[in-house]
Amino acid sequence: AQRVTQPEKLLSVFKGAPVELKCNYSYSGSPELFWYVQYSRQRLQLLLRHISRESIKGFTADLNKGETSFHLKKPFAQEEDSAMYYCALKVGGGKLIFGQGTELSVKP
Amino acid sequence: DTGVSQDPRHKITKRGQNVTFRCDPISEHNRLYWYRQTLGQGPEFLTYFQNEAQLEKSRLLSDRFSAERPKGSFSTLEIQRTEQGDSAMYLCASSLGQLGDTQYFGPGTRLTVL
Repeated sequence: AQRVTQPEKLLSVFKGAPVELKCNYSYSGSPELFWYVQYSRQRLQLLLRHISRESIKGFTADLNKGETSFHLKKPFAQEEDSAMYYCALKVGGGKLIFGQGTELSVKP
Repeated sequence: DTGVSQDPRHKITKRGQNVTFRCDPISEHNRLYWYRQTLGQGPEFLTYFQNEAQLEKSRLLSDRFSAERPKGSFSTLEIQRTEQGDSAMYLCASSLGQLGDTQYFGPGTRLTVL
């Protein structure tokens, strides 16, 4: 089965605290994974993708094939990071399978 | 704005009516995807096009749904005989259609069926 699981619907942290948004996937092929972010009243936008291994806005994510995970991390959360975060898996035809999303709330 | 655009942004209709949404992808993008997102859920794939060819349809896409991309540019998604369960955000995305490419999303059309 092809599936993406984000176990936390809401994650609330204080400014400056570390953040980890969890993502687990199920896929028999070679996975290609993404994190998308949706700020309030804005469209979905790509945050990062595992094949580029880059850090965007201080966020990183490492693909762990043994644990089938692609957790999103940031060492020091900022208030402007408050948003909905979606983990997505690219499968045949290029379509994306999304997790249900995690709302990150960063409090001052 | 040269990103993906969708029209209308909001649509309110009565049950049983037909509705049509439009998506204009980023020019030069060969692939166009439709997704549906309900409250509290991530987007779910509906269908996609490679140029004008519709290559895959999800089981979510009942016979009341039809999508076209007549000239390989803009696409339309039509829902016939709408039901309350069709209420959702309908998202369009486009990509180059190359290995390792990225999908860029439009702002979505929010459908409310009364």
